[in-house]
Amino acid sequence: NAGVTQTPKFQVLKTGQSMTLQCAQDMNHEYMSWYRQDPGMGLRLIHYSVGAGITDQGEVPNGYNVSRSTTEDFPLRLLSAAPSQTSVYFCASGAGAEKLFFGSGTQLSVL
Amino acid sequence: QKEVEQDPGPLSVPEGAIVSLNCTYSNSAFQYFMWYRQYSRKGPELLMYTYSSGNKEDGRFTAQVDKSSKYISLFIRDSQPSDSATYLCAMTLGGTNAGKSTFGDGTTLTVKP
Repeated sequence: NAGVTQTPKFQVLKTGQSMTLQCAQDMNHEYMSWYRQDPGMGLRLIHYSVGAGITDQGEVPNGYNVSRSTTEDFPLRLLSAAPSQTSVYFCASGAGAEKLFFGSGTQLSVL
Repeated sequence: QKEVEQDPGPLSVPEGAIVSLNCTYSNSAFQYFMWYRQYSRKGPELLMYTYSSGNKEDGRFTAQVDKSSKYISLFIRDSQPSDSATYLCAMTLGGTNAGKSTFGDGTTLTVKP
């Protein structure tokens, strides 16, 4: 049972480049979300989805887009990368927001 | 002021000690209260969650919620070196905002053999 799978694990971008972080879950969870974690800080919610076709903004949505076309997948798009987006990104899924299963993270550096 | 404030630590305790990890919050609309454990370079994993005031026990771990004081705690009994990790408290709203969660900044715990 794979759980929540994130790819890639590491990525280096130049300022202005775009990319998509992939997230897939095989637990048939309706709820999925994206967080960023900066050094010494907790997780901040970027976007979340309560089901296919439904997304909403979290605490820090600017510069990121999401879509949810299937229950399994919830990709996060960086439109024009900025150094302030250097962070570790975690995808999570759950039956609700109160019991989350997290992926192993993507470490992103923007130069 | 942050909605969720977590005792910053770091904490260093000897093996076998009782550990107390604490968070306070300002939004009385929070309905679910969770504790996650995060090992270095790993994703967080859920330890416990609760939605009511009082205590909830699971093995060596006890989660305590006091909604009147807006205060939650996680107690670890008979701490082990394998408990060395960062502990994150988290809270979610209910109703139409049920998908939004807020995390504390984490407390790093080291249990020395």
